[in-house]
Amino acid sequence: EAQVTQNPRYLITVTGKKLTVTCSQNMNHEYMSWYRQDPGLGLRQIYYSMNVEVTDKGDVPEGYKVSRKEKRNFPLILESPSPNQTSLYFCASSPYGGGIDEQYFGPGTRLTVT
Amino acid sequence: GQNIDQPTEMTATEGAIVQINCTYQTSGFNGLFWYQQHAGEAPTFLSYNVLDGLEEKGRFSSFLSRSKGYSYLLLKELQMKDSASYLCAPYSGAGSYQLTFGKGTKLSVIP
Repeated sequence: EAQVTQNPRYLITVTGKKLTVTCSQNMNHEYMSWYRQDPGLGLRQIYYSMNVEVTDKGDVPEGYKVSRKEKRNFPLILESPSPNQTSLYFCASSPYGGGIDEQYFGPGTRLTVT
Repeated sequence: GQNIDQPTEMTATEGAIVQINCTYQTSGFNGLFWYQQHAGEAPTFLSYNVLDGLEEKGRFSSFLSRSKGYSYLLLKELQMKDSASYLCAPYSGAGSYQLTFGKGTKLSVIP
């Protein structure tokens, strides 16, 4: 089944404890992206990747890192999480590398930082 | 930068027609996406308009006016399952891979 998977789906952690949220897609998509969604603020792009080893900042990149070593994986890294990073996170992928096409979203990861 | 405006909430009756508007100001424009998001779920793609005019897809239609920076999503024969948030996202294209979404319109369909 064609899909985008994220792990973990739920995570409660403490301030400063490094964490990684994994994202994987099995559709051979070139474009991948991370978003966070907060009440009243909508869906905001954190980072995106046009292809392997090519990443760039979205609207809210502060406090996050990403890497794209393989086409299928695009992990989101929080080196030192803070409470303001408590949010619902979505990973997405899109088939067209020359621009953005229809995006397929993962199921989301609900992160709480205490 | 981008400025995207959508109504925060709307309510409509089952079986009726509802229009959800989206206005935008962007530096560069290639097209506009509409996504549907049910509560607690991931967004799913509805449409992508590049040219001016109305595009119909079953009960859902999407309209675009590039000169006015305006789009709307038209939902006909509303069903309870259409209760969801609807997100618009103008895409600038021209080598940009960044996408900014509007804050979304929460639609409630009532019996």
